[in-house]
Amino acid sequence: AQSVTQLGSHVSVSEGALVLLRCNYSSSVPPYLFWYVQYPNQGLQLLLKYTTGATLVKGINGFEAEFKKSETSFHLTKPSAHMSDAAEYFCAVTRTLTGANNLFFGTGTRLTVIP
Amino acid sequence: DAMVIQNPRYQVTQFGKPVTLSCSQTLNHNVMYWYQQKSSQAPKLLFHYYDKDFNNEADTPDNFQSRRPNTSFCFLDIRSPGLGDAAMYLCATSGGQGGLWETQYFGPGTRLLVL
Repeated sequence: AQSVTQLGSHVSVSEGALVLLRCNYSSSVPPYLFWYVQYPNQGLQLLLKYTTGATLVKGINGFEAEFKKSETSFHLTKPSAHMSDAAEYFCAVTRTLTGANNLFFGTGTRLTVIP
Repeated sequence: DAMVIQNPRYQVTQFGKPVTLSCSQTLNHNVMYWYQQKSSQAPKLLFHYYDKDFNNEADTPDNFQSRRPNTSFCFLDIRSPGLGDAAMYLCATSGGQGGLWETQYFGPGTRLLVL
């Protein structure tokens, strides 16, 4: 069965500081991993995803994540936080459905950026 | 811009009074999903359509049903809402090529309040 665990339901960083959001996964098969962001009163937007190949994945808005099989982790980072990064971030792993895929989401991490 | 639209954004209903939430998409995607997201929890898949084929998750209550009259529209019907059904309902789409790596595109969600 596939699942993800996000460590820390709330993370606060100062503007300009490193952002690190943690995600560990459990999967019986090679995982496909996603990070989504949800701004207030908006839907989820894909930040980045890992399928196969390069383990360092670059996404939108300066975010990147590294797939580490040995640590079963897919942590999200950004070198310098911006006020506009304040949002809820969800890590997800997928399983196949008939012609579709099901995203198993973590419980989310709310990022606060302090001016 | 191609997008996923959900109406209404906020819905108030009474305990036991049927309610319908709607979703439309201009992406011409084969797959449409409905997720339930309760406060401070991860989104959870209720069901999905692959074209006209309906696929229900095993633990989705019978109280929840869905209709997809055409490619563009999908409805979520809650026959007899209970207080526990208050949540954000998210609609999403994907192309339906069958890949686990497919991105899902989310609408802004409908927040349901049950009085």
